[in-house]
Amino acid sequence: AQSVTQLGSHVSVSEGALVLLRCNYSSSVPPYLFWYVQYPNQGLQLLLKYTSAATLVKGINGFEAEFKKSETSFHLTKPSAHMSDAAEYFCAVRNSGGSNYKLTFGKGTLLTVNP
Amino acid sequence: DTEVTQTPKHLVMGMTNKKSLKCEQHMGHRAMYWYKQKAKKPPELMFVYSYEKLSINESVPSRFSPECPNSSLLNLHLHALQPEDSALYLCASSQGVVAKSPLHFGNGTRLTVT
Repeated sequence: AQSVTQLGSHVSVSEGALVLLRCNYSSSVPPYLFWYVQYPNQGLQLLLKYTSAATLVKGINGFEAEFKKSETSFHLTKPSAHMSDAAEYFCAVRNSGGSNYKLTFGKGTLLTVNP
Repeated sequence: DTEVTQTPKHLVMGMTNKKSLKCEQHMGHRAMYWYKQKAKKPPELMFVYSYEKLSINESVPSRFSPECPNSSLLNLHLHALQPEDSALYLCASSQGVVAKSPLHFGNGTRLTVT
């Protein structure tokens, strides 16, 4: 079985500060990992994905994430937060084998950015 | 702008109504999905279509009926819904039903059942 845990349902940062959103996964086989962002009243937008190539993955809007197998983590970071980054962020995992159709989401982290 | 288009954006329906949600993608993707999302929760998978055939039904009640008329279109027919079915319904597509293929989501239909 696969699962994702996002530590912190709500993260608040100041504009210009580092953004760190935590994601830990559980998977019996090598995972594929994704970060999505959801702005109010919109669908989910893919930020970045890890598919077993480089462990440091760069995404859109200045976000990046590092896959650390030893820590079973895939934390999302951005050096400097903008007001426009305020949104809900979901980490998701898909196993590379078995019932690989299913994308399992974490519970989400709401990011607020203070001026 | 999203490449997966969903209509309508909002829908209010009574418990005896029949309505349909529509989804369209022109990315050549061969897998399409319906998700349901309640407020402050992650999306929950409902159905998966692969090459226009229903491959997964996540034990969804029969009052929800999916249809895939062709590789670009996906419908969700609604009948005799309950107020607890009120949610954001998201359509998504991917190149295939393979693990490394990311899902691309539409902006959803906000459904209210009265």
